[in-house]
Amino acid sequence: AQSVSQHNHHVILSEAASLELGCNYSYGGTVNLFWYVQYPGQHLQLLLKYFSGDPLVKGIKGFEAEFIKSKFSFNLRKPSVQWSDTAEYFCAVAPTGGGNKLTFGTGTQLKVEL
Amino acid sequence: DTGVSQNPRHKITKRGQNVTFRCDPISEHNRLYWYRQTLGQGPEFLTYFQNEAQLEKSRLLSDRFSAERPKGSFSTLEIQRTEQGDSAMYLCASSSTSGRRAYNEQFFGPGTRLTVL
Repeated sequence: AQSVSQHNHHVILSEAASLELGCNYSYGGTVNLFWYVQYPGQHLQLLLKYFSGDPLVKGIKGFEAEFIKSKFSFNLRKPSVQWSDTAEYFCAVAPTGGGNKLTFGTGTQLKVEL
Repeated sequence: DTGVSQNPRHKITKRGQNVTFRCDPISEHNRLYWYRQTLGQGPEFLTYFQNEAQLEKSRLLSDRFSAERPKGSFSTLEIQRTEQGDSAMYLCASSSTSGRRAYNEQFFGPGTRLTVL
C-alpha cells in the first residue's frame, strides 16, 4: 500500500518569503502526484498535478512542484507567498490505473503573516 | 452552484444510533468517492463507485458502514450503531472518466461533519 509523508505540520511565513513544503511517498509502482489546498472555510481543491513528462509542474496561483523520482519526492514551492495563501496543503498520490483513489499526507498548515 | 453537494453539513448523534449522509456529485460525473478525515489527518479513502457499481472498499469500511449509488447519480453513506470513533468529516468527491487524460480531477464537496456523543 502507498503512504505519503509531509514533514512540516505548521509553517509560519512573512509575506514575500519563499515557500517549500516537503512531500515524500512510498509505493512500489507508478503513481500520479497531487497537491490539494483547503482555504479556510472552503472545499479541498486541486492546486497542481503530475502524471508524466516534465517533472516540474506549474499550478494555480504561482505554485509549482518538482517530482524527483529517485527521492520519491514531490515538493511544493512558491517564490513569494501572499497573505491569501494561508491555508492547509495536502500532498496526495494515486497509483496509475485502477480507480485513482487518493492517499493523502497529514497536511501542512501554512500561515502567512503581513 | 454546480459543484459537489453534501447533506447534512453537520450531524450530531448519540452512540448506537444510525446515520445516513447524502452526496450529489457534479452531473455527468460517473465516478464518486467517499473519504473520511479526522482531526490532524489527511482524508482517507473509504470507497468509490463507477456509475452504480461499487468497485472498491477500504478495510477502514467496517461492516457497520454501507454505501450505495443506486442510479449512478447521488450516493448515500450509512453508518449503523455509531461509535465515538466514527466522529469525523466525511468527504465526497466526483470525477469523470471521459476523455483521454490519464487522470481526471476529483472535485470535493464541503463534507459532512459527524459528532458521536
